[in-house]
Amino acid sequence: KQEVTQIPAALSVPEGENLVLNCSFTDSAIYNLQWFRQDPGKGLTSLLLIQSSQREQTSGRLNASLDKSSGRSTLYIAASQPGDSATYLCAVKGGSTLGRLYFGRGTQLTVWP
Amino acid sequence: GAVVSQHPSRVICKSGTSVKIECRSLDFQATTMFWYRQFPKQSLMLMATSNEGSKATYEQGVEKDKFLINHASLTLSTLTVTSAHPEDSSFYICSATLSPNYGYTFGSGTRLTVV
Repeated sequence: KQEVTQIPAALSVPEGENLVLNCSFTDSAIYNLQWFRQDPGKGLTSLLLIQSSQREQTSGRLNASLDKSSGRSTLYIAASQPGDSATYLCAVKGGSTLGRLYFGRGTQLTVWP
Repeated sequence: GAVVSQHPSRVICKSGTSVKIECRSLDFQATTMFWYRQFPKQSLMLMATSNEGSKATYEQGVEKDKFLINHASLTLSTLTVTSAHPEDSSFYICSATLSPNYGYTFGSGTRLTVV
């Protein structure tokens, strides 16, 4: 069974810092990997999607990398802002088009002014 | 594109009553939708996979008679919590995908409180 782990569980930093959030998964036979953001009491907002054949994706201040063979992904947030405060979830999709998502428990990020 | 709408966002019901939650794909057709449950400070737990025109597939440990899923059209799936009890209080979220390569889109979630 696929297991997804996110480190750290929580992170509190002053604004302006560059951040690295880590995600690891036990089964490298994934279809793709997706990073989400969740604000308290809200649904999930998709940030970046990396297909299994890709190494990285970028959107604005966010960059996500994928090393499928070692079962790792990293979300890099540049020049963090208080508005980035949220829980960040990593999810991998099982190794087929019909695969389900497996979620990590998330990293709770607080960026203070 | 790929917007998923979920209603209601909050519901409070009395113990023993049933509650229906709707999940709609607004600008695409979704033959498959997924229902998750989330406990405070926990990640999402997949409850069931909803398939249009056929029975839902439930994850191990999820009571199919308690959590009724109906996926009667390509844009609507419903989750009905039957005979709700306080332990059913939770945050329920649905999701769907435009295509296998597109990634998943999630609804805004429903906070259910059973009193």
